[in-house]
Amino acid sequence: SAVISQKPSRDICQRGTSLTIQCQVDSQVTMMFWYRQQPGQSLTLIATANQGSEATYESGFVIDKFPISRPNLTFSTLTVSNMSPEDSSIYLCSVEWGLNTEAFFGQGTRLTVV
Amino acid sequence: GQQLNQSPQSMFIQEGEDVSMNCTSSSIFNTWLWYKQEPGEGPVLLIALYKAGELTSNGRLTAQFGITRKDSFLNISASIPSDVGIYFCAGRVYSGGGADGLTFGKGTHLIIQP
Repeated sequence: SAVISQKPSRDICQRGTSLTIQCQVDSQVTMMFWYRQQPGQSLTLIATANQGSEATYESGFVIDKFPISRPNLTFSTLTVSNMSPEDSSIYLCSVEWGLNTEAFFGQGTRLTVV
Repeated sequence: GQQLNQSPQSMFIQEGEDVSMNCTSSSIFNTWLWYKQEPGEGPVLLIALYKAGELTSNGRLTAQFGITRKDSFLNISASIPSDVGIYFCAGRVYSGGGADGLTFGKGTHLIIQP
């Protein structure tokens, strides 16, 4: 099976700063998504990362706060901008090889904002 | 948006016992997926269900896609210590406009007592 790598695996950041999280897959995938998992909670979809065009955001998430890039079929980034302690969460990249098929996850990026 | 009600929230069982958990929704889903998450890791896909009434097994795990499309259950037979973790159900509704992300249940925390 393919390998989904997220970097960094964890980070501690100062409030007001921004962090860019990378997701790299070792084979081309059709779909890439970003999820947030707040402490002790379930996963919530942030957005669909669209190749070569603007990401599609879910209700409650906006591009200014969570800019996303997807330059090709194997790579995407999520930036958490102007961070506050409320942004402390695990951020997860998910990929699918077909449209609306099985979704596989990276190991996540554990972010703590102080 | 759609919501998934997952129960039980936690289970304390003896090794060797069978486990059953389920997810229900007031909305219809077209796909049901079951994941297991261990500390510090991303969710790992256990079983994917695509048809109403479908019953699928993966080793000691069995899951079914409810005939109404509004529910799914996961059973684990003869539990072992490595089954410990948080189990999530996830559902997908096809919007018809392309890729659709997943809606997750709140998780079932499985604890096994030796």
